[in-house]
Amino acid sequence: GQQVMQIPQYQHVQEGEDFTTYCNSSTTLSNIQWYKQRPGGHPVFLIQLVKSGEVKKQKRLTFQFGEAKKNSSLHITATQTTDVGTYFCAGSNPTGAGSYQLTFGKGTKLSVIP
Amino acid sequence: GAVVSQHPSWVICKSGTSVKIECRSLDFQATTMFWYRQFPKQSLMLMATSNEGSKATYEQGVEKDKFLINHASLTLSTLTVTSAHPEDSSFYICSAVWGYSNQPQHFGDGTRLSIL
Repeated sequence: GQQVMQIPQYQHVQEGEDFTTYCNSSTTLSNIQWYKQRPGGHPVFLIQLVKSGEVKKQKRLTFQFGEAKKNSSLHITATQTTDVGTYFCAGSNPTGAGSYQLTFGKGTKLSVIP
Repeated sequence: GAVVSQHPSWVICKSGTSVKIECRSLDFQATTMFWYRQFPKQSLMLMATSNEGSKATYEQGVEKDKFLINHASLTLSTLTVTSAHPEDSSFYICSAVWGYSNQPQHFGDGTRLSIL
């Protein structure tokens, strides 16, 4: 079945440093989604990438989707303490039933040292 | 934005008890709902996909007689953990999607289940 690998598992950065998490799928994806889960909370949707080579920005966050639609990255510039949490990528492919399941990566837990 | 309510948020019960968890989409009609299980410091593992009006599709290794899913309406899905045992203790979380296309999933707050 489809597998989504995500690295690193943990990342500790000093406030103000940059942060990147990488995601790789064993199969070509129809789209990739990114979620953020704060400690004790539930995953919150950040963004969806659909097109090959797509790049999207949300303030200090930059999301990329690879040309082959098998890998993706999330880069945070100048991290802040509010960025703390676990970032998950999730690959989507249509199922036979017509609904779109997500296969989640293991997540990257970001700690920001003030 | 889309809101998904999950209830209860925390359950502690004795071994052998059946526990029902509700997932409601409050401001949209959810054609598809997903049930996940999350172990501490790990990712979300999809348990089953539930489409309104049809039987749930379970992932490999998930016992359908153990984890009963009912998608009663476009705004409500329930997960019942039958005859729960300590190994069923986990964080269960649902998500809901509008439509059948590549829509983001909106997650409930999750239910922490502890079986004594």
